[in-house]
Amino acid sequence: EAGVAQSPRYKIIEKRQSVAFWCNPISGHATLYWYQQILGQGPKLLIQFQNNGVVDDSQLPKDRFSAERLKGVDSTLKIQPAKLEDSAVYLCASSSNRGRPPYEQYFGPGTRLTVT
Amino acid sequence: AQKVTQAQTEISVVEKEDVTLDCVYETRDTTYYLFWYKQPPSGELVFLIRRNSFDEQNEISGRYSWNFQKSTSSFNFTITASQVVDSAVYFCALSRFGNEKLTFGTGTRLTIIP
Repeated sequence: EAGVAQSPRYKIIEKRQSVAFWCNPISGHATLYWYQQILGQGPKLLIQFQNNGVVDDSQLPKDRFSAERLKGVDSTLKIQPAKLEDSAVYLCASSSNRGRPPYEQYFGPGTRLTVT
Repeated sequence: AQKVTQAQTEISVVEKEDVTLDCVYETRDTTYYLFWYKQPPSGELVFLIRRNSFDEQNEISGRYSWNFQKSTSSFNFTITASQVVDSAVYFCALSRFGNEKLTFGTGTRLTIIP
């Protein structure tokens, strides 16, 4: 079974530019998560999708971050405009919602963003 | 509010030594779940274990064991006879019952010296 795929793996941009990350979850997984992991910290949930609906986006800075999950499969996370403090690893995870909760989350390799 | 504290930022031990990673959590919920994840240099978080607040039984899986003590709000992780492949950052996490959102600690970087 293929794991969670993310691209690009690395991205360097200047502040005020825009950037987009892509995530392809494990086939059949209904729930998709985006986490932000700043260096030296644990991952922080930005947004959670159930199929193509948003379950939790309480920690998403909506003035600059947006995310979508069209057709309930792939997802993109966008930052526009980027700030220096957005430098982090962006992790995507998915879970199947089968069996008893809480459902195990499977993580992708992440996209490392550097904003200069 | 939920909080997870991993006071040990970095630990180094010589191969074959035992090592314990500490995790202390705060929650007002009576029902919750605790997790440990491993993050190797490749970056992917790897699930190790999930415990629910009903079950304080300790668990052993090979060289790994977990000690859950509700009285001290701790969920510590011990690696016995450590190996170089155990080198990674380890995260403890907490979720509420019925909610998949994970609250992570800041992680402990474990280095096993050959």
